[in-house]
Amino acid sequence: RKEVEQDPGPFNVPEGATVAFNCTYSNSASQSFFWYRQDCRKEPKLLMSVYSSGNEDGRFTAQLNRASQYISLLIRDSKLSDSATYLCVVGGNEKLTFGTGTRLTIIP
Amino acid sequence: NAGVTQTPKFQVLKTGQSMTLQCAQDMNHNSMYWYRQDPGMGLRLIYYSASEGTTDKGEVPNGYNVSRLNKREFSLRLESAAPSQTSVYFCASRLWDDGSQYFGPGTRLLVL
Repeated sequence: RKEVEQDPGPFNVPEGATVAFNCTYSNSASQSFFWYRQDCRKEPKLLMSVYSSGNEDGRFTAQLNRASQYISLLIRDSKLSDSATYLCVVGGNEKLTFGTGTRLTIIP
Repeated sequence: NAGVTQTPKFQVLKTGQSMTLQCAQDMNHNSMYWYRQDPGMGLRLIYYSASEGTTDKGEVPNGYNVSRLNKREFSLRLESAAPSQTSVYFCASRLWDDGSQYFGPGTRLLVL
């Protein structure tokens, strides 16, 4: 079983729609959780951290369920510029483990 | 403030050649990391350095060596390149008490 599992997609979503990504992780001792965004042929960039209480940053909402070892990302009112690969990332003491990513394409 | 920089951006090697990938950060971060990214595999950790003078193996260290030259610089060396090392290599750095990592722009390596 992979340490971090994501649906690879692709998700093709019309502009303005709401889209949700899910991710599960296997290490119950994981301490930190993030969503990263990666554009084609570019480096991963931090989108947001994920907290147990849930957190929101503009159109983006992230949720963490430690009991189920499940992380989610919700994007509301999607924009063309949201097209990218979204990486679910889980951290321990020193290291991060990356999911393989979910590819999102926003269609005009 | 350049963040994390990597050189070179692109490189083509022949099997058996050696090269060093350079990485530097100007954010005064303690920890630095080298990853490789291959299609369908996600990012895999090669080596990391929690502080100046220390290095540790990651998930895929075979065929690589690293040097933490000082707090700013962390280099990755391929002593004898193999076609299986064709990949995109990313360097990253991290604050001690902030779990997130910040990535350089990557080096695209092709080994023929």
